[in-house]
Amino acid sequence: GESVGLHLPTLSVQEGDNSIINCAYSNSASDYFIWYKQESGKGPQFIIDIRSNMDKRQGQRVTVLLNKTVKHLSLQIAATQPGDSAVYFCAENFEGTGRRALTFGSGTRLQVQP
Amino acid sequence: DGGITQSPKYLFRKEGQNVTLSCEQNLNHDAMYWYRQDPGQGLRLIYYSQIVNDFQKGDIAEGYSVSREKKESFPLTVTSAQKNPTAFYLCASITGGASDTEAFFGQGTRLTVV
Repeated sequence: GESVGLHLPTLSVQEGDNSIINCAYSNSASDYFIWYKQESGKGPQFIIDIRSNMDKRQGQRVTVLLNKTVKHLSLQIAATQPGDSAVYFCAENFEGTGRRALTFGSGTRLQVQP
Repeated sequence: DGGITQSPKYLFRKEGQNVTLSCEQNLNHDAMYWYRQDPGQGLRLIYYSQIVNDFQKGDIAEGYSVSREKKESFPLTVTSAQKNPTAFYLCASITGGASDTEAFFGQGTRLTVV
């Protein structure tokens, strides 16, 4: 079946730098995307979402970019802090008929060096 | 406070035993999901239910069973047919409205076969 995947399993950045986490998706019919943050031993937490009719959406210190032409999603974290260290997942959802659950990528571990 | 509660947090199972993981939500969400997470990997969909008394198989349903007798509850049974059940199990719920498909996650149950 179609899936969502991530290219980099681990990303290491210096505190204060900007981080960019990438995600490729393969279901061209997906129309809703979410980024989640998961800390060790905990459930994923919502960070930011974007619908397919948008190219960019900004939150507090985070920005999600969607490139539907190449089916690529990215999460940008500004001024990365030690508390940002976690595994980040992108997820896609298709909201057409026969709506199904979110499909998750394999995740990227972000390590913030002090 | 509204949220999703999974119990127990840790569960140990002997080989050949069935065990049931609990998931309860008071968010009044229509849809509920079970995901499995293996170390260093993403979330894989086991089962989902979009409405009471109805549920669908996900990508890795073999060896698992569910029920959805109440809107608030979606228990997952890991049967003896599941050959490699040791994993972190996450339950999530999503409101049925098309304008809001953010998934809220529980804190997970870590199942270990002993």
